Amino acid sequence: QVQLVQSGAEVKKPGASVKVSCKASGYTFTSYGISWVRQAPGQGLEWMGWISAYNGNTNYAQKLQGRVTMTTDTSTSTAYMELRSLRSDDTAVYYCARGHIAVAGISVDYWGQGTLVTVSS
Amino acid sequence: QSALTQPPSASGSPGQSVTISCTGTSSDVGGYNYVSWYQQHPGKAPKLMIYEVSKRPSGVPDRFSGSKSGNTASLTVSGLQAEDEADYYCSSYAGSNSLFGGGTKLTVL
Repeated sequence: QVQLVQSGAEVKKPGASVKVSCKASGYTFTSYGISWVRQAPGQGLEWMGWISAYNGNTNYAQKLQGRVTMTTDTSTSTAYMELRSLRSDDTAVYYCARGHIAVAGISVDYWGQGTLVTVSS
Repeated sequence: QSALTQPPSASGSPGQSVTISCTGTSSDVGGYNYVSWYQQHPGKAPKLMIYEVSKRPSGVPDRFSGSKSGNTASLTVSGLQAEDEADYYCSSYAGSNSLFGGGTKLTVL
């Protein structure tokens, strides 16, 4: 069965960076993309961006351009999301989700369990 | 780009039907047939309920249906059950990115 297993919770200081991993299993990793979505405490969902696991193409949300980098390691079927220059309003649960192979922003079907990132001094 | 607009809350009694709306623009909801709906229970990851406006993934009950008219998409839950109480989010393709609605809390009375 399709599974996306994310790395554990992180606590970071303002200005630091965080890198969240998402290990996929149960399907051919390079036949899909991975989207990243975050959810601040008590708030709604926010699309962060997408990466094609087929060719590494990326699309990032405009508000995160320059602070976020999404990568994949096809040898381990793992996707990564790095967010830099962390601020307190980056505190959120970060989700990875399986998406379209070639088009950013198309619906996602399977989701990881989420990773809580807390930014606090 | 602004988030899609959803009512903050909706409710219905068991067995009734409820419809949740999701309003965007011609650049997102109205421009593409790529509207999705997600169900999220407290403390859990979202679950895909509807994709491409009206398609149901395998395993999703046919009590859940989706539609679209112009710039507004809708999710209808028929025959409400207690386990349908959750937050529901719409999402739309918006040309190389995706937008979410603010979410609707569905209460089963």
